[in-house]
Parts: sequence; C-alpha cells; structure tokens
Amino acid sequence: AQSVAQPEDQVNVAEGNPLTVKCTYSVSGNPYLFWYVQYPNRGLQFLLKYITGDNLVKGSYGFEAEFNKSQTSFHLKKPSALVSDSALYFCAVRARRGGYNKLIFGAGTRLAVHP
Amino acid sequence: EAEVAQSPRYKITEKSQAVAFWCDPISGHATLYWYRQILGQGPELLVQFQDESVVDDSQLPKDRFSAERLKGVDSTLKIQPAELGDSAMYLCASSQFGANTEAFFGQGTRLTVV
Repeated sequence: AQSVAQPEDQVNVAEGNPLTVKCTYSVSGNPYLFWYVQYPNRGLQFLLKYITGDNLVKGSYGFEAEFNKSQTSFHLKKPSALVSDSALYFCAVRARRGGYNKLIFGAGTRLAVHP
Repeated sequence: EAEVAQSPRYKITEKSQAVAFWCDPISGHATLYWYRQILGQGPELLVQFQDESVVDDSQLPKDRFSAERLKGVDSTLKIQPAELGDSAMYLCASSQFGANTEAFFGQGTRLTVV
C-alpha cells in the first residue's frame, strides 16, 4: 500500500533560522513526490516536485527538498525562515494504480515561524 | 494565470438536505480530482476522473455521494442526504495526464451541515 507520513504535527522555528519539515513515503516502484502549502481557508498551492535526477529540488518561495531513496524521505527545507512562511504543509506521493495515478497526501505539518 | 474555479466558497445546509458543488478545471487538464479535507487533516481522495470517466472512487460513500463530469470538462459533486459528519472542506484539483504532473487546486468549498 502507498502512504505518506509526516511525523511532526507542528514545527516551530525562529525567523531567520533554517527550517526542515519531514516526510517519509512508502510506494511501489519509482516515487513521484510533491510538496504543497495551505493557508487558512484556501486550497493547496504547489511548491515543488521530485520526478527523477538531482536529489535536491528547488521550488517556489525559496523552498527546496531533498530526496533520499535509501531513507525513503523527502524533507522540505528553507535556509532562512520568514514569518509569512507560517502555514500548513503537505507532502504527497503519486502512486500508480491500474494505469492511473492516485495522489496521496500526508496528514500535514503546521509550520509556525516566530519573529 | 489559469486557475481551478470552485463554487460556492461556503455552504451551510441542514442535515438530510441535498447539496452540490461545482468545479471548472484548468483548460486542457484531462484529470480531475475531488478531495475532502476535514479540519486539521490531510486531503482524502473521493473521486478521480480521466476525461469523463471515473478511474478511482474507492473512497466515495456511494450511498450518498455522486460525482459526474459529463463532457470531460467541468464537474459536479453531490451529497444527498447530507449528514453532520460531512462538514469539511471539499477541494477540486486538476492536472495533465501523467504520474509526474502536479495537481492544481481550487479555493475549496467549506461545507457546514447543521
């Protein structure tokens, strides 16, 4: 079965410090991995994706993510956090089923950046 | 920039009533998804369309929920009758066909059943 785990309900970080939001996955075959951000009462916004190639993927708003196949992880990172980064972050994995692609989300991690 | 359109943004309905949500995906996107998101949780896939065909509805409560995408463009999700436990955010998303494509989400419809 395909699944995504985000082990931390909440991550707290001071503005200007680096941040990491963790994600591990379980999927048959090659994983396609995604990060999304959600602000209150809004839909999800795409940040970045890993398909193949370089393990470090760069995305929107200065975010990046590192794919680690041996640890089945895809952690989201940013070198210097901003208060405006405070939001709900979701990791997702694309699973193949019957020739079609089911996009499965984790439970989410709330990021709080303090001034 | 193209967006996924959803309406209404907010809906309050009494239990046992019928309710419907509408979604217009990004032009050219063959795949359309309906997700349900309970407050504080991740989105749960209810139904996935490829053009006008349902390719996954394994988590759709078929006794009360129905979804259609008649011409392979816009889509409607219906609940009849609504129950208190249906209160949630209903999100529509669309993507181009392919495992490596990202999904783009609409603003969602916040449903409250009273």
